Amino acid sequence: GQQVMQIPQYQHVQEGEDFTTYCNSSTTLSNIQWYKQRPGGHPVFLIQLVKSGEVKKQKRLTFQFGEAKKNSSLHITATQTTDVGTYFCAGQGNTDKLIFGTGTRLQVFP
Amino acid sequence: NAGVTQTPKFQVLKTGQSMTLQCAQDMNHEYMSWYRQDPGMGLRLIHYSVGAGITDQGEVPNGYNVSRSTTEDFPLRLLSAAPSQTSVYFCASSYFFGGQKGPPLHFGNGTRLTVT
Repeated sequence: GQQVMQIPQYQHVQEGEDFTTYCNSSTTLSNIQWYKQRPGGHPVFLIQLVKSGEVKKQKRLTFQFGEAKKNSSLHITATQTTDVGTYFCAGQGNTDKLIFGTGTRLQVFP
Repeated sequence: NAGVTQTPKFQVLKTGQSMTLQCAQDMNHEYMSWYRQDPGMGLRLIHYSVGAGITDQGEVPNGYNVSRSTTEDFPLRLLSAAPSQTSVYFCASSYFFGGQKGPPLHFGNGTRLTVT
């Protein structure tokens, strides 16, 4: 079945440094979504990518969808302490299931 | 507008006990799903439903049952709890995403379950 992996599992950065998490699917995706989960909270939707090679930006966050629609990345420029949390990608293939990646936990030191 | 409501927030069970985790949404969403979250494993799909009367299995369905008698409610039943089912359970809903573009999931606050 469809599998979605993320790397790295953990990332510790100094405030102001950049951060990137990568997401890889075993199958071609129709779309990919990104979620953020704050410590002790529930996942909250950030963005959705649908087109091959699509790039979207939200302030300091840049999201990319690979040309083959099997991988994606989230890049945060100049991290802040408010960026702390776990970032998940979630991919939909040709079924009604949304499969989540394993997540990347980001810690930002002031 | 409460969104997705999960009850209880915390639960401790003994091995072999049964219980039902409740999930209700007031957004008239057709699609509802259950995920479990374990350290290092991300969120794994247990069961999902694309509408009342329709359910299907996700990635890890064994040991869990679901039913969808109404649009609003999607309870998750553990028939005979095992320590391996210790986890945080999230219910999520959205408008039905048939086709290429699925709308985002709205998550409940989760139920933390411990099985001893």
